[in-house]
Amino acid sequence: TQLLEQSPQFLSIQEGENLTVYCNSSSVFSSLQWYRQEPGEGPVLLVTVVTGGEVKKLKRLTFQFGDARKDSSLHITAAQPGDTGLYLCAGGYNTDKLIFGTGTRLQVFP
Amino acid sequence: NAGVTQTPKFQVLKTGQSMTLQCAQDMNHEYMSWYRQDPGMGLRLIHYSVGAGITDQGEVPNGYNVSRSTTEDFPLRLLSAAPSQTSVYFCASTPVPGQGTYEQYFGPGTRLTVT
Repeated sequence: TQLLEQSPQFLSIQEGENLTVYCNSSSVFSSLQWYRQEPGEGPVLLVTVVTGGEVKKLKRLTFQFGDARKDSSLHITAAQPGDTGLYLCAGGYNTDKLIFGTGTRLQVFP
Repeated sequence: NAGVTQTPKFQVLKTGQSMTLQCAQDMNHEYMSWYRQDPGMGLRLIHYSVGAGITDQGEVPNGYNVSRSTTEDFPLRLLSAAPSQTSVYFCASTPVPGQGTYEQYFGPGTRLTVT
């Protein structure tokens, strides 16, 4: 059974700070996605990465896929209260199903 | 497009009752899935479907049934509700994957409490 570990589980920071969230697996991903979920809503896809070493940017969010495709990171620059939410990574393993991590709950205070 | 819609938004059941959670999508996506989300457990796949008439089990299928008679609809049936099924349920749809990425488009969820 593939396992996806996210760290940290909880993160509470002040507006303007930078942060990094990590997603690790013991297996090689065929692809990896990051989602953000706000309270009372379903997760929303932020990005998909498929190539080892790939870096994608979405405004203040930078996503990196590890060279060996076993890990990924999400870096937020100058966090804002609107970034508050649950961040989930999800890995594909050459099947038609995704495995989700347990999530990182981010709180950004003004 | 409405995207993925789910009804009801909230539901309270007594142990032993049955019910159906509805899910519909208007994006003509082939793949549809049901997940449950519990604190500290992330999203776990219950059942999924790769097209009308085809369903398969996910990680936690016991106590749930599904069917897929049309591309648009994918209802989830709880046969005899148990307190362990108290959770938030999400339906998701996925377009035919171009690169095998299976990107999920989620509905707003159904919060179910079983007493």
